[in-house]
Amino acid sequence: SQQGEEDPQALSIQEGENATMNCSYKTSINNLQWYRQNSGRGLVHLILIRSNEREKHSGRLRVTLDTSKKSSSLLITASRAADTASYFCATDAGGGGADGLTFGKGTHLIIQP
Amino acid sequence: DVKVTQSSRYLVKRTGEKVFLECVQDMDHENMFWYRQDPGLGLRLIYFSYDVKMKEKGDIPEGYSVSREKKERFSLILESASTNQTSMYLCASSLWGSGRGEQFFGPGTRLTVL
Repeated sequence: SQQGEEDPQALSIQEGENATMNCSYKTSINNLQWYRQNSGRGLVHLILIRSNEREKHSGRLRVTLDTSKKSSSLLITASRAADTASYFCATDAGGGGADGLTFGKGTHLIIQP
Repeated sequence: DVKVTQSSRYLVKRTGEKVFLECVQDMDHENMFWYRQDPGLGLRLIYFSYDVKMKEKGDIPEGYSVSREKKERFSLILESASTNQTSMYLCASSLWGSGRGEQFFGPGTRLTVL
């Protein structure tokens, strides 16, 4: 069953601008993860935030988690053409990923040069 | 670096054929997963395995089976392929243990069933 829902479904911005994507989910989680998928390829893990964390940074990425609202956001600062991809949030409700992640449908991000 | 490989990038099969999709990981991960990805539906979990010879159904197991005879290899089997199984199939692996939900994905197999 789908748990994470990303918003917006598609986003087009100019290179250099910041991109923000949101994810909402329905049940309690151990952690929430963001992945990137370039066209026709496999997914690449970007960042994991645990349920007891509120914010996490990795390079130009900033992720926030609000467990009271069951939502997360991914901010990409100073976007580049190479950031063009689909971005998925995924929730881990089980122990250690043994039950599989539940993915949203993704946000397709286009960075205009 | 973790490497997850899948046997084919593109595959074309006919309705009724038996199809094997192979996945191999080289990092001694306990958990392995098979997802399918369809436009507008995102990724959906078909089966997963947390140990050799162990398997668990995911959200959409109907029409599929799996095999895990060795730790590094996880096979997805379509017993009798149908056109509604045309999709992108993604394999992933992860370490066992709480708090380690990160999954490593293969490049995907785009299967077309005619």
